[in-house]
Amino acid sequence: NAGVTQTPKFRILKIGQSMTLQCAQDMNHNYMYWYRQDPGMGLKLIYYSVGAGITDKGEVPNGYNVSRSTTEDFPLRLELAAPSQTSVYFCASSYASRFPDNEQFFGPGTRLTVL
Amino acid sequence: AQKITQTQPGMFVQEKEAVTLDCTYDTSDQSYGLFWYKQPSSGEMIFLIYQGSYDEQNATEGRYSLNFQKARKSANLVISASQLGDSAMYFCAMREPRRSGGYQKVTFGIGTKLQVIP
Repeated sequence: NAGVTQTPKFRILKIGQSMTLQCAQDMNHNYMYWYRQDPGMGLKLIYYSVGAGITDKGEVPNGYNVSRSTTEDFPLRLELAAPSQTSVYFCASSYASRFPDNEQFFGPGTRLTVL
Repeated sequence: AQKITQTQPGMFVQEKEAVTLDCTYDTSDQSYGLFWYKQPSSGEMIFLIYQGSYDEQNATEGRYSLNFQKARKSANLVISASQLGDSAMYFCAMREPRRSGGYQKVTFGIGTKLQVIP
């Protein structure tokens, strides 16, 4: 199993450009998440999904969009990139549970710089 | 109000000694889960240990144990016999129920940077 994979690893964007961060998991997890981690900070939730076709906003969704057409993939779209979106982006997944015991599995992260 | 508070921005510990990383949380729910993750300098997030709110025993995983004090809303991570490879950022996180059902929501603290000294 590859676990959670993210592409690209690094990207530099110019202000106003758009891009899609790719995330895929091969563990058949229902739940998937996108976080951003700013320097010296914890993770802030951007969007999450509880299954194919179902997405919901997290704490910091402005400037981002997501889709979940399959269980495996959960791409994050940045429209009109701004310097404030310079961050490390983590994708994560977990299995669905009736209890709060399901740990998240994280991808390696994408380091994005907007200049 | 902060949901997860980690008040120690940085900690030092001598190799082979034990260290406690503090975490307090805020929730009005009865059922929730607490997690600790490690983030080495390479950047990946590694799950360490889980404690459920209804678990009566403190969780342990090898050299990691979670000192869970429910009434004080604290979930401190204890690392015994520290090793150089333990130098990393450590994040406390909480999974709470959503009003509409399920436990999808996870909140992270800002982390504690641990440095193990030879």
